[in-house]
Amino acid sequence: RKEVEQDPGPFNVPEGATVAFNCTYSNSASQSFFWYRQDCRKEPKLLMSVYSSGNEDGRFTAQLNRASQYISLLIRDSKLSDSATYLCVAPSGGGADGLTFGKGTHLIIQP
Amino acid sequence: GAVVSQHPSWVICKSGTSVKIECRSLDFQATTMFWYRQFPKQSLMLMATSNEGSKATYEQGVEKDKFLINHASLTLSTLTVTSAHPEDSSFYICSARITGAGYEQYFGPGTRLTVT
Repeated sequence: RKEVEQDPGPFNVPEGATVAFNCTYSNSASQSFFWYRQDCRKEPKLLMSVYSSGNEDGRFTAQLNRASQYISLLIRDSKLSDSATYLCVAPSGGGADGLTFGKGTHLIIQP
Repeated sequence: GAVVSQHPSWVICKSGTSVKIECRSLDFQATTMFWYRQFPKQSLMLMATSNEGSKATYEQGVEKDKFLINHASLTLSTLTVTSAHPEDSSFYICSARITGAGYEQYFGPGTRLTVT
Protein backbone atom coordinates (compact mmCIF):
# COMPACT_ATOMS: atom_id res chain seq x y z
CA ARG A 1 0.00 0.00 0.00
CA LYS A 2 1.22 3.44 -0.89
CA GLU A 3 1.84 5.64 2.13
CA VAL A 4 1.37 9.26 3.08
CA GLU A 5 3.57 10.47 5.91
CA GLN A 6 3.06 13.49 8.14
CA ASP A 7 4.65 14.88 11.27
CA PRO A 8 1.96 14.30 13.91
CA GLY A 9 2.96 17.35 15.95
CA PRO A 10 1.44 18.87 17.96
CA PHE A 11 2.50 22.23 16.65
CA ASN A 12 1.87 24.94 19.23
CA VAL A 13 1.78 28.30 17.49
CA PRO A 14 0.81 31.78 18.76
CA GLU A 15 -2.17 33.47 17.19
CA GLY A 16 -1.19 35.56 14.18
CA ALA A 17 1.88 33.52 13.34
CA THR A 18 2.59 31.71 10.10
CA VAL A 19 2.92 27.96 10.25
CA ALA A 20 3.77 25.36 7.65
CA PHE A 21 3.88 21.61 7.64
CA ASN A 22 4.89 19.06 5.08
CA CYS A 23 3.63 15.73 3.93
CA THR A 24 5.51 13.15 1.87
CA TYR A 25 3.93 10.60 -0.40
CA SER A 26 5.31 7.44 -1.95
CA ASN A 27 3.08 6.98 -5.00
CA SER A 28 4.91 8.93 -7.69
CA ALA A 29 2.01 8.42 -10.09
CA SER A 30 -0.39 10.51 -7.98
CA GLN A 31 -1.66 13.54 -9.85
CA SER A 32 -3.87 15.17 -7.26
CA PHE A 33 -3.63 15.77 -3.57
CA PHE A 34 -5.80 17.19 -0.87
CA TRP A 35 -5.61 18.79 2.51
CA TYR A 36 -8.51 18.02 4.82
CA ARG A 37 -9.16 19.52 8.21
CA GLN A 38 -10.60 17.40 10.99
CA ASP A 39 -11.81 18.75 14.30
CA CYS A 40 -11.99 16.52 17.34
CA ARG A 41 -14.72 13.87 17.00
CA LYS A 42 -15.89 15.37 13.71
CA GLU A 43 -15.69 14.31 10.08
CA PRO A 44 -12.90 15.56 7.80
CA LYS A 45 -13.72 18.63 5.76
CA LEU A 46 -12.02 19.41 2.47
CA LEU A 47 -9.70 22.39 2.84
CA MET A 48 -7.83 22.48 -0.46
CA SER A 49 -7.28 20.47 -3.60
CA VAL A 50 -3.86 20.50 -5.24
CA TYR A 51 -3.77 19.49 -8.88
CA SER A 52 -0.70 21.30 -10.19
CA SER A 53 2.23 23.00 -8.52
CA GLY A 54 0.13 24.64 -5.87
CA ASN A 55 -3.01 26.37 -4.80
CA GLU A 56 -3.83 29.43 -2.72
CA ASP A 57 -7.06 30.23 -0.92
CA GLY A 58 -7.01 33.22 1.36
CA ARG A 59 -4.63 32.55 4.24
CA PHE A 60 -3.93 29.02 3.07
CA THR A 61 -1.35 28.02 0.48
CA ALA A 62 -0.59 24.49 -0.62
CA GLN A 63 2.51 23.68 -2.66
CA LEU A 64 3.41 20.50 -4.45
CA ASN A 65 6.95 19.37 -5.18
CA ARG A 66 6.75 16.35 -7.45
CA ALA A 67 10.51 15.85 -7.68
CA SER A 68 10.79 15.43 -3.93
CA GLN A 69 7.30 13.99 -3.54
CA TYR A 70 6.06 16.30 -0.86
CA ILE A 71 3.16 18.66 -0.35
CA SER A 72 3.20 21.55 2.06
CA LEU A 73 0.45 23.56 3.70
CA LEU A 74 1.13 27.13 4.80
CA ILE A 75 -1.25 29.01 7.07
CA ARG A 76 -0.70 32.76 7.40
CA ASP A 77 -2.06 35.02 10.15
CA SER A 78 -3.25 31.99 12.09
CA LYS A 79 -6.53 32.20 14.00
CA LEU A 80 -7.64 30.36 17.10
CA SER A 81 -10.22 28.62 14.92
CA ASP A 82 -7.43 27.10 12.84
CA SER A 83 -6.72 24.69 15.69
CA ALA A 84 -7.45 21.26 14.26
CA THR A 85 -5.82 18.20 12.78
CA TYR A 86 -4.75 18.63 9.17
CA LEU A 87 -4.84 15.53 7.02
CA CYS A 88 -2.70 15.12 3.94
CA VAL A 89 -4.42 12.94 1.36
CA ALA A 90 -3.42 11.31 -1.91
CA PRO A 91 -5.21 8.91 -4.24
CA SER A 92 -4.53 5.31 -3.29
CA GLY A 93 -3.48 4.45 -6.81
CA GLY A 94 -3.10 0.96 -8.19
CA GLY A 95 -6.50 1.16 -9.83
CA ALA A 96 -8.26 1.81 -6.52
CA ASP A 97 -10.77 4.62 -6.25
CA GLY A 98 -10.05 5.52 -2.69
CA LEU A 99 -7.83 8.01 -0.94
CA THR A 100 -4.92 7.33 1.38
CA PHE A 101 -4.91 9.54 4.43
CA GLY A 102 -1.92 10.60 6.43
CA LYS A 103 -2.21 10.29 10.20
CA GLY A 104 -2.64 14.03 10.46
CA THR A 105 -0.75 16.95 11.94
CA HIS A 106 -2.24 18.38 15.10
CA LEU A 107 -2.14 22.19 15.20
CA ILE A 108 -2.85 24.23 18.31
CA ILE A 109 -3.14 28.00 17.97
CA GLN A 110 -2.54 29.72 21.29
CA PRO A 111 -3.96 33.12 22.24
CA GLY B 1 -23.13 22.15 -2.08
CA ALA B 2 -21.74 18.59 -1.76
CA VAL B 3 -23.57 17.75 1.44
CA VAL B 4 -23.50 14.22 2.80
CA SER B 5 -25.72 13.08 5.62
CA GLN B 6 -25.27 10.04 7.78
CA HIS B 7 -27.68 8.38 10.18
CA PRO B 8 -27.74 7.60 12.97
CA SER B 9 -25.25 9.98 14.56
CA TRP B 10 -24.60 7.57 17.37
CA VAL B 11 -25.86 4.20 18.41
CA ILE B 12 -25.38 1.94 21.38
CA CYS B 13 -26.23 -1.71 20.87
CA LYS B 14 -25.76 -4.99 22.61
CA SER B 15 -23.21 -7.54 21.52
CA GLY B 16 -24.59 -9.87 18.87
CA THR B 17 -27.04 -7.45 17.33
CA SER B 18 -26.82 -5.84 13.90
CA VAL B 19 -26.68 -2.13 13.18
CA LYS B 20 -27.42 -0.38 9.88
CA ILE B 21 -25.85 2.98 9.03
CA GLU B 22 -27.13 5.11 6.15
CA CYS B 23 -25.11 7.50 4.04
CA ARG B 24 -26.86 9.90 1.67
CA SER B 25 -25.61 12.48 -0.78
CA LEU B 26 -28.17 15.26 -0.49
CA ASP B 27 -27.43 17.56 -3.41
CA PHE B 28 -25.44 15.48 -5.87
CA GLN B 29 -25.25 12.04 -7.37
CA ALA B 30 -22.58 9.71 -6.12
CA THR B 31 -21.78 6.63 -8.15
CA THR B 32 -19.02 5.88 -5.68
CA MET B 33 -19.17 6.11 -1.91
CA PHE B 34 -16.62 5.03 0.67
CA TRP B 35 -16.80 3.69 4.19
CA TYR B 36 -14.09 4.48 6.71
CA ARG B 37 -13.49 3.60 10.32
CA GLN B 38 -11.54 5.67 12.79
CA PHE B 39 -10.41 4.58 16.23
CA PRO B 40 -9.48 7.20 18.84
CA LYS B 41 -6.30 9.10 17.94
CA GLN B 42 -5.88 7.00 14.80
CA SER B 43 -6.11 7.95 11.16
CA LEU B 44 -9.05 7.17 8.93
CA MET B 45 -8.91 3.63 7.60
CA LEU B 46 -10.74 2.78 4.41
CA MET B 47 -12.98 -0.24 4.87
CA ALA B 48 -14.63 -0.52 1.48
CA THR B 49 -15.54 1.23 -1.72
CA SER B 50 -19.20 1.14 -2.60
CA ASN B 51 -20.30 1.39 -6.23
CA GLU B 52 -23.91 1.92 -7.22
CA GLY B 53 -25.42 -1.19 -8.69
CA SER B 54 -22.47 -3.48 -8.08
CA LYS B 55 -20.70 -5.27 -5.26
CA ALA B 56 -18.55 -3.31 -2.89
CA THR B 57 -14.77 -3.63 -2.94
CA TYR B 58 -13.40 -4.41 0.50
CA GLU B 59 -9.95 -3.54 1.79
CA GLN B 60 -7.66 -6.29 2.96
CA GLY B 61 -8.59 -7.50 6.42
CA VAL B 62 -12.19 -6.26 6.32
CA GLU B 63 -14.72 -9.08 6.53
CA LYS B 64 -17.32 -8.66 3.82
CA ASP B 65 -19.77 -10.95 5.59
CA LYS B 66 -19.56 -8.89 8.75
CA PHE B 67 -19.75 -5.46 7.14
CA LEU B 68 -22.52 -5.63 4.55
CA ILE B 69 -22.64 -2.77 2.09
CA ASN B 70 -25.50 -1.94 -0.22
CA HIS B 71 -25.46 0.93 -2.72
CA ALA B 72 -28.86 0.67 -4.31
CA SER B 73 -29.18 4.20 -5.66
CA LEU B 74 -27.00 7.11 -6.72
CA THR B 75 -27.64 8.88 -3.43
CA LEU B 76 -27.72 6.12 -0.81
CA SER B 77 -25.26 3.59 0.54
CA THR B 78 -25.79 1.54 3.68
CA LEU B 79 -23.35 -0.26 5.95
CA THR B 80 -24.67 -3.01 8.19
CA VAL B 81 -22.46 -4.22 11.00
CA THR B 82 -23.68 -7.76 11.62
CA SER B 83 -23.34 -9.54 14.95
CA ALA B 84 -21.56 -6.57 16.44
CA HIS B 85 -18.97 -7.08 19.17
CA PRO B 86 -17.30 -4.57 21.51
CA GLU B 87 -14.21 -4.47 19.29
CA ASP B 88 -16.42 -3.08 16.50
CA SER B 89 -17.01 0.05 18.59
CA SER B 90 -15.63 2.89 16.52
CA PHE B 91 -16.40 6.04 14.55
CA TYR B 92 -17.74 5.04 11.14
CA ILE B 93 -17.61 7.74 8.46
CA CYS B 94 -18.89 7.60 4.92
CA SER B 95 -17.83 9.79 2.05
CA ALA B 96 -19.08 10.35 -1.46
CA ARG B 97 -17.51 11.47 -4.68
CA ILE B 98 -19.45 13.59 -7.13
CA THR B 99 -20.15 11.55 -10.24
CA GLY B 100 -18.02 12.77 -13.13
CA ALA B 101 -15.99 15.17 -10.99
CA GLY B 102 -12.51 14.83 -9.50
CA TYR B 103 -11.12 12.71 -6.71
CA GLU B 104 -12.42 14.91 -3.90
CA GLN B 105 -14.50 13.10 -1.34
CA TYR B 106 -17.12 14.75 0.82
CA PHE B 107 -17.69 13.25 4.22
CA GLY B 108 -20.78 12.59 6.25
CA PRO B 109 -20.79 13.61 9.92
CA GLY B 110 -20.00 10.09 11.06
CA THR B 111 -21.69 7.50 13.26
CA ARG B 112 -20.32 6.66 16.65
CA LEU B 113 -21.01 3.01 17.39
CA THR B 114 -20.68 1.61 20.89
CA VAL B 115 -21.24 -2.10 21.38
CA THR B 116 -21.77 -3.19 24.97
